[in-house]
Amino acid sequence: GESVGLHLPTLSVQEGDNSIINCAYSNSASDYFIWYKQESGKGPQFIIDIRSNMDKRQGQRVTVLLNKTVKHLSLQIAATQPGDSAVYFCAATTGANSKLTFGKGITLSVRP
Amino acid sequence: GAVVSQHPSRVICKSGTSVKIECRSLDFQATTMFWYRQFPKQSLMLMATSNEGSKATYEQGVEKDKFLINHASLTLSTLTVTSAHPEDSSFYICSAETGQATEAFFGQGTRLTVV
Repeated sequence: GESVGLHLPTLSVQEGDNSIINCAYSNSASDYFIWYKQESGKGPQFIIDIRSNMDKRQGQRVTVLLNKTVKHLSLQIAATQPGDSAVYFCAATTGANSKLTFGKGITLSVRP
Repeated sequence: GAVVSQHPSRVICKSGTSVKIECRSLDFQATTMFWYRQFPKQSLMLMATSNEGSKATYEQGVEKDKFLINHASLTLSTLTVTSAHPEDSSFYICSAETGQATEAFFGQGTRLTVV
């Protein structure tokens, strides 16, 4: 089966620093990965995704790295801002239109 | 980007009553919609997968007679919590896929409180 987990429940960073959030997955057949941001009382918001044929993908201030050898995924946020404070989830799936399996979530807290 | 609207955002109901939550894809047709439940400080747990025109597929442990799902059109899926109990109080979230991409678009969630 699929299980996706995050290494740490909370992460506190200074405003302006870079943040790195890590995630491990168990199913080697997983081929699509997504990072979501969830603010209190709201639904998950798509941040960035990556397919298994890639190792790295960059967005605006965010980078996702995928290491299939160790089944590890990370989200890097550059110049972290107070608005980045939220819970972050990684999710994985296999195949198209397949259900997502979510990790437990990590709370990112940005210190001013 | 694609927009998924969920209604209501908050609802309080009495024990024993039923509550209907709507999930609409506003600018695309959703071949598949998903319903999740989220407890405080927990992750999203998939309840069921809903395909337009067919019966929903429920995850193990989810009572299909209690959580009724209807996906009557390509833009609307509903979740009805029947005979609600206080333990059904939770945050319910839907998501929708276009069928052309794996990315799922999420609604803003519904906070259900059963008193």
